[in-house]
Amino acid sequence: KNQVEQSPQSLIILEGKNCTLQCNYTVSPFSNLRWYKQDTGRGPVSLTIMTFSENTKSNGRYTATLDADTKQSSLHITASQLSDSASYICVVSGSSGTYKYIFGTGTRLKVLA
Amino acid sequence: DAGVIQSPRHEVTEMGQEVTLRCKPISGHDYLFWYRQTMMRGLELLIYFNNNVPIDDSGMPEDRFSAKMPNASFSTLKIQPSEPRDSAVYFCASNPGGAGYQPQHFGDGTRLSIL
Repeated sequence: KNQVEQSPQSLIILEGKNCTLQCNYTVSPFSNLRWYKQDTGRGPVSLTIMTFSENTKSNGRYTATLDADTKQSSLHITASQLSDSASYICVVSGSSGTYKYIFGTGTRLKVLA
Repeated sequence: DAGVIQSPRHEVTEMGQEVTLRCKPISGHDYLFWYRQTMMRGLELLIYFNNNVPIDDSGMPEDRFSAKMPNASFSTLKIQPSEPRDSAVYFCASNPGGAGYQPQHFGDGTRLSIL
């Protein structure tokens, strides 16, 4: 069964600290993996998109990595800010040309001052 | 660019009533998606359209759910009759078609509560 699992479910860190969120998937075949940020009460916003041939992609303080062999991805947040408090959702597309994305249930991050 | 616009933002209604959710995609986007988000199941794709034509509705939970896209700038998701288990946040998203990997642009959702 195609699945996307994220860990941890929730995380609390202090402002200025770094953190890493994990995503493991069993989706096959694999086309691309996306990370979204979802603020409370808002829709998800795309952070990064990676294909199987890419193993790292950055968007400001956000850096995503992908290991297509082990089917793992991580999202690293550097020098966290209060505005980083949100849910981070990992999404996997199973094959090129399809829009049936498989969504993880997200990691809820809280950054404290 | 105004982004994807959904209305209403909140809807509270009684079981058995008809509910209509509305979406205006970003101009020029060929694809429109309807998702449902719950705490237990996360985001689930209900249906998506390409150039106003429904492509995959396998995620629509029951015949009580229906979606239409009469033109490129408007789509509706209807639930009739509504049930308490339909309570969730419903998102509309759009993205341009063509080659490459395009990010989906989500609206801010409709929070639906069925009493």
